[in-house]
Amino acid sequence: EAQVTQNPRYLITVTGKKLTVTCSQNMNHEYMSWYRQDPGLGLRQIYYSMNVEVTDKGDVPEGYKVSRKEKRNFPLILESPSPNQTSLYFCASSASQGVPFLSAFFGQGTRLTVV
Amino acid sequence: AQSVTQLDSQVPVFEEAPVELRCNYSSSVSVYLFWYVQYPNQGLQLLLKYLSGSTLVKGINGFEAEFNKSQTSFHLRKPSVHISDTAEYFCAVSEWRGSTLGRLYFGRGTQLTVWP
Repeated sequence: EAQVTQNPRYLITVTGKKLTVTCSQNMNHEYMSWYRQDPGLGLRQIYYSMNVEVTDKGDVPEGYKVSRKEKRNFPLILESPSPNQTSLYFCASSASQGVPFLSAFFGQGTRLTVV
Repeated sequence: AQSVTQLDSQVPVFEEAPVELRCNYSSSVSVYLFWYVQYPNQGLQLLLKYLSGSTLVKGINGFEAEFNKSQTSFHLRKPSVHISDTAEYFCAVSEWRGSTLGRLYFGRGTQLTVWP
């Protein structure tokens, strides 16, 4: 079954404690992306990756890091989380031939709370 | 950068009534348009897309949308809604500039609530 898997689904952490949210896709997609969703703001792109070892900033990259060492994985790293990073996070992937968002698949989301 | 405006944050409607969710985007030479649906506690699912050709596009679950270039709009419609259509709907726009792959910009979402 084609899917994007995020872990964990729920996470409560304290300010300053480094954390990683994993994202894995089984569709051999080149393009992967991270979004955060906040009430009334819709989805905002954090980082995206066109392929292995190729990443770029989205609209709200501050406080986040990503890496793309393998095609299937695209972890999101918060080196020093702060309460304003409390949000719902989504990972997405799609093929990059032609229009990259023709068949974007989204993960189930990770609800992060930073206290 | 693109901006996407969903004019209504909440749309309440009774079952079997028609519904229209509005979406406008900032002008660009070449855009691709999408509607996504998010059911409670789930990720986003592609509802329909406009890439080129006919300005009326049909998607899943009986939804359709019309691309209007002169008004830079891409409104989503359904002639008769069901309670199961209750969800949040996001309009998204991707733009192309030459050979550069575009990014996907989302609106703020419209919560559709269908009442019995």
